[in-house]
Amino acid sequence: DTGVSQDPRHKITKRGQNVTFRCDPISEHNRLYWYRQTLGQGPEFLTYFQNEAQLEKSRLLSNRFSAERPKGSFSTLEIQRTEQGDSAMYLCASSLGEQGNAYEQYFGPGTRLTVT
Amino acid sequence: AQSVSQHNHHVILSEAASLELGCNYSYGGTVNLFWYVQYPGQHLQLLLKYFSGDPLVKGIKGFEAEFIKSKFSFNLRKPSVQWSDTAEYFCAVKTLSGGSYIPTFGRGTSLIVHP
Repeated sequence: DTGVSQDPRHKITKRGQNVTFRCDPISEHNRLYWYRQTLGQGPEFLTYFQNEAQLEKSRLLSNRFSAERPKGSFSTLEIQRTEQGDSAMYLCASSLGEQGNAYEQYFGPGTRLTVT
Repeated sequence: AQSVSQHNHHVILSEAASLELGCNYSYGGTVNLFWYVQYPGQHLQLLLKYFSGDPLVKGIKGFEAEFIKSKFSFNLRKPSVQWSDTAEYFCAVKTLSGGSYIPTFGRGTSLIVHP
């Protein structure tokens, strides 16, 4: 399967713990996006990368969230000191595209986080 | 702030019925418009997209959507639904911000098609 992959698929953690998720995009895609999706809502944009540069961050992204894409390939999303409100599906998507252009995004299966 | 409204949260149809799902957005500038579908247990995948040109766009599986700029709408249609169209449908709008396009999704419409 050469699509977007995410690991782990499910994560249960206790409040206050740190968690890290990984996303592997489609190999030739230079853009990588992170979203959060809660029940009954659409995906909510968190941040995106153009190669290794983080170009946009949502104002909704608290300072407990950090994302990296060190070599312009896979990306990690870390949540520090998790709270129950962080429980959600975290989606990763990738696309082609230079800055200023818009291409379709290919989504991964998501990581479902449950904070107890 | 940019927003996307999908007014129909739950739609139940019988096979062969016609479908129209509404999508309205609030941004007045340059936009790119998308409809995504999520079948049960599967990833989000693209149904169709509008960037420019003909405002009537055709997508996969017989779906089409019409961009009406004056109404800020991008409604999804299918003349005759099938049981296999049962899924969650999301409208998404990308707006230009600082030279890059930031996507905003609607909350989704759950479609159930009875055989």
